[in-house]
Amino acid sequence: DVKVTQSSRYLVKRTGEKVFLECVQDMDHENMFWYRQDPGLGLRLIYFSYDVKMKEKGDIPEGYSVSREKKERFSLILESASTNQTSMYLCASSVIRDSTRAQYFGPGTRLLVL
Amino acid sequence: AQKITQTQPGMFVQEKEAVTLDCTYDTSDPSYGLFWYKQPSSGEMIFLIYQGSYDQQNATEGRYSLNFQKARKSANLVISASQLGDSAMYFCAMRGAGQGAQKLVFGQGTRLTINP
Repeated sequence: DVKVTQSSRYLVKRTGEKVFLECVQDMDHENMFWYRQDPGLGLRLIYFSYDVKMKEKGDIPEGYSVSREKKERFSLILESASTNQTSMYLCASSVIRDSTRAQYFGPGTRLLVL
Repeated sequence: AQKITQTQPGMFVQEKEAVTLDCTYDTSDPSYGLFWYKQPSSGEMIFLIYQGSYDQQNATEGRYSLNFQKARKSANLVISASQLGDSAMYFCAMRGAGQGAQKLVFGQGTRLTINP
């Protein structure tokens, strides 16, 4: 079974803090993704990575950066957290050799920025 | 651009009844894939079922089936014999081809509540 883990289930931070969200997958997947989920808006792609040290912007990259130094780990960074970044953050991974390209998700991190 | 539309914000169904969750999509790619995910209150997105645009038959996975009507651009999820544990948010998603094959576009979701 694919296992995607995220470093925290719940996180409370203050405005202006630097925030790191970590995601690890154990299935040697090439692709990794960060989404945010807000009520009524579904999931929106922030960034994705298709290889180590490679990244591409998604639909809403503003205010975020990412890092992928190892294949199994993909980090989302909020350089200076703001209240409008309060949200649910979901990490996912997928493998190129799977023709469906199904993405497998972690449990999510609920971030509250005060 | 690809787009997924789920028009049912919420649905209430009696246990053991069949449920159909609606999904329509829009794309100009001739090759694409359609997915359904389940999100329980715990938050994790669970992959349920996949349908490729060239697949001749509708996909089935246990109690889940995907009613794929290509000409109407619809990909409805059918859950047979619903159970209390089916209560969750359900998301329809699609991927394109080529560069777009790696990314998914999601609909806004439908909250399904199964009543005993």
